[in-house]
Amino acid sequence: QSVLTQPPSVSGAPGQRVTISCTGSSSNIGAGSDVHWYQQLPGTAPKLLIYGNSNRPSGVPDRFSGSKSGTSASLAITGLQAEDEADYYCQSYDNSLSGSGLFGGGTKLTVL
Amino acid sequence: EVQVVESGGREVRPGGSLRLSCAASGFTFDDHGMSWVRQAPGKGLEWVSGINWNGDATGYADSVKGRFTISRDNAKKSLYLQMNSLRAEDTALYHCARTTGSSYYYGMDVWGQGTTVTVSS
Repeated sequence: QSVLTQPPSVSGAPGQRVTISCTGSSSNIGAGSDVHWYQQLPGTAPKLLIYGNSNRPSGVPDRFSGSKSGTSASLAITGLQAEDEADYYCQSYDNSLSGSGLFGGGTKLTVL
Repeated sequence: EVQVVESGGREVRPGGSLRLSCAASGFTFDDHGMSWVRQAPGKGLEWVSGINWNGDATGYADSVKGRFTISRDNAKKSLYLQMNSLRAEDTALYHCARTTGSSYYYGMDVWGQGTTVTVSS
């Protein structure tokens, strides 16, 4: 059971918009810890999609956007494409003495 | 080319020890925090440990605290993970990853392909 909660799966048709939620607590996201998002295609290493809640690394299309509010964060993907089908993970940190990192359980995006 | 390459994974008996290494190239290693992330077969990502640019701050997942030790050698541009008292549940592909800033709290933007650790009797 992950400390950060994501829906196991989401789906959408090409061209549509989908969102993936990431729910934490007052010990992590709610305490001000940044949220990062990753995309993992089958058999490959994860790729950073969003860092610092809403920033896109160079090369990531602006179809991907991130937001954070309270104890939750969201990843939005607009103009869905077949190549977006992948696993998506949110990541944050425990804002305590431990300073340990946290991943959500992951969300499988299916493009119908 | 900016890259990190892991090594050291192998099959080991429960209770055994292993040291993973990660060699960095193509960037200024001591400008960045570093982390280890693992993925068990068919499972999601699990953050294992992180270290700041100069090694003065480290963090560990509860599942490995007291058994694993992260370290770095900036002169050798290398990251390490000393793994002791290994358990079957430590079996996974272990990735080394660079963060976007000096702290391990930043997002991880460069990942290696991973090295496989199998703990089995």
